[in-house]
Amino acid sequence: QQPVQSPQAVILREGEDAVINCSSSKALYSVHWYRQKHGEAPIFLMILLKGGEQKGHDKISASFNEKKQQSSLYLTASQLSYSGTYFCGTANYYGGSQGNLIFGKGTKLSVKP
Amino acid sequence: ETGVTQSPTHLIKTRGQQVTLRCSSQSGHNTVSWYQQALGQGPQFIFQYYREEENGRGNFPPRFSGLQFPNYSSELNVNALELDDSALYLCASSSQNGEGNGYTFGSGTRLTVV
Repeated sequence: QQPVQSPQAVILREGEDAVINCSSSKALYSVHWYRQKHGEAPIFLMILLKGGEQKGHDKISASFNEKKQQSSLYLTASQLSYSGTYFCGTANYYGGSQGNLIFGKGTKLSVKP
Repeated sequence: ETGVTQSPTHLIKTRGQQVTLRCSSQSGHNTVSWYQQALGQGPQFIFQYYREEENGRGNFPPRFSGLQFPNYSSELNVNALELDDSALYLCASSSQNGEGNGYTFGSGTRLTVV
C-alpha cells in the first residue's frame, strides 16, 4: 500500500525550515528517505527501523513514531542545495531481505535565495 | 567504490517491440531492484533479484522479466512494448548483510515508446 506524503510541494527561502510527512495505514518495518534532483538518481538520505527513533546528519533529520505508521523528515536552515523531490520508501516486512520498498508520490521542495 | 551504472541512458522504441535494459550494481551489493518512474510520480516497484532469483514482484505483467547474473549485474526485459511503458527505469542495488542499508540508485534509462 502506497504511503501518503504531505505536503505535495513547498517553497522556502534560504534559512527557513520544512517538515515533510509520510504516513501509512499499517505499521511499517522500515522507512527510507531519498532526495531526487531533476534528471538525476534518487540519493539515499537515511533509514529508520525502530519505533520512536530519531536520527539525522548535518541539518537533515527524521523521526519514526512509536506505532511505526508515520515518519517525518526535518530540514533545518534550508540551503539552495536542498531543492529537489523528497520521497519516502516504506517496507512492510522483513523476510530475509530489505523488503520491497513502496514509494510515496514525493514532495517537491524549492529553496529560493 | 563504483556506483550503480545503467545502460543505455535513453532509448526510443516502437510499440510492440522488445527492449533490454542493463544495470551494474555497486561493488559489494548482492541485491538488485528495478523501478519504473513516470513523470512527476514516485518510483514503482517492478521486481527484486537476490542471488540470481526473483525475490519479490510488484504489480507488473509477465511481459516484464529480469535476470541477475553471478556478478550481481542485472537485466530488465520488456516484451510487446506499449505506449504506457514510456518512463524512466531505475535500477537500485543494496546489500543483504544486516539491516539499515539504503539503496543506491542508478541514473536510469529513459524509455520512450512511440
